[in-house]
Amino acid sequence: QKEVEQNSGPLSVPEGAIASLNCTYSDRVSQSFFWYRQYSGKSPELIMSIYSNGDKEDGRFTAQLNKASQYVSLLIRDSQPSDSATYLCAVIGFRAGNMLTFGGGTRLMVKP
Amino acid sequence: SAVISQKPSRDICQRGTSLTIQCQVDSQVTMMFWYRQQPGQSLTLIATANQGSEATYESGFVIDKFPISRPNLTFSTLTVSNMSPEDSSIYLCSAQAAGVGEKLFFGSGTQLSVL
Repeated sequence: QKEVEQNSGPLSVPEGAIASLNCTYSDRVSQSFFWYRQYSGKSPELIMSIYSNGDKEDGRFTAQLNKASQYVSLLIRDSQPSDSATYLCAVIGFRAGNMLTFGGGTRLMVKP
Repeated sequence: SAVISQKPSRDICQRGTSLTIQCQVDSQVTMMFWYRQQPGQSLTLIATANQGSEATYESGFVIDKFPISRPNLTFSTLTVSNMSPEDSSIYLCSAQAAGVGEKLFFGSGTQLSVL
């Protein structure tokens, strides 16, 4: 079992819709969770961090964390073609010390 | 956030040669890391660059192939030695900045092609 799992996609949504990206992790005592956006040919860019159960909103982005289910998600409201990218989930777990473990990423395509 | 400058941005190298990638951070950071990202894949951690001591390598990566230096808190280099076409990849420098918790920021990456 991979430590951090994501559906590779592509996830295709129409412009204006809500895109829902999901991530599960195996280390039950994971502490910190991050979402990165990576455009093709570019380096990852941090867009959200979340540390406690519940929702955290930042503009059109909402991160959701459920530690009991070992599940973290990213919602993108009013999706735009410019949101088309690969989204990487990253987790800091007890076993990994202070280092991030990345999921494989989900490719999102927002169609005009 | 930390601003991370990485160079070169890309290079095309011949088999058997070596390339050194430089990474400069604009502020003092607690941790610096080197990642590799092969085409269509996620990020794989190569090593943690430790200031003033030998880097800590992940499974599958060795110092002879990927020597790393970190002479101070804001600068690190990664050398890809005796390159083969299998080393063609994007190499990313990253850092966790003091004062912003565990958030990890990335340099712009080095796209390496080995012929």
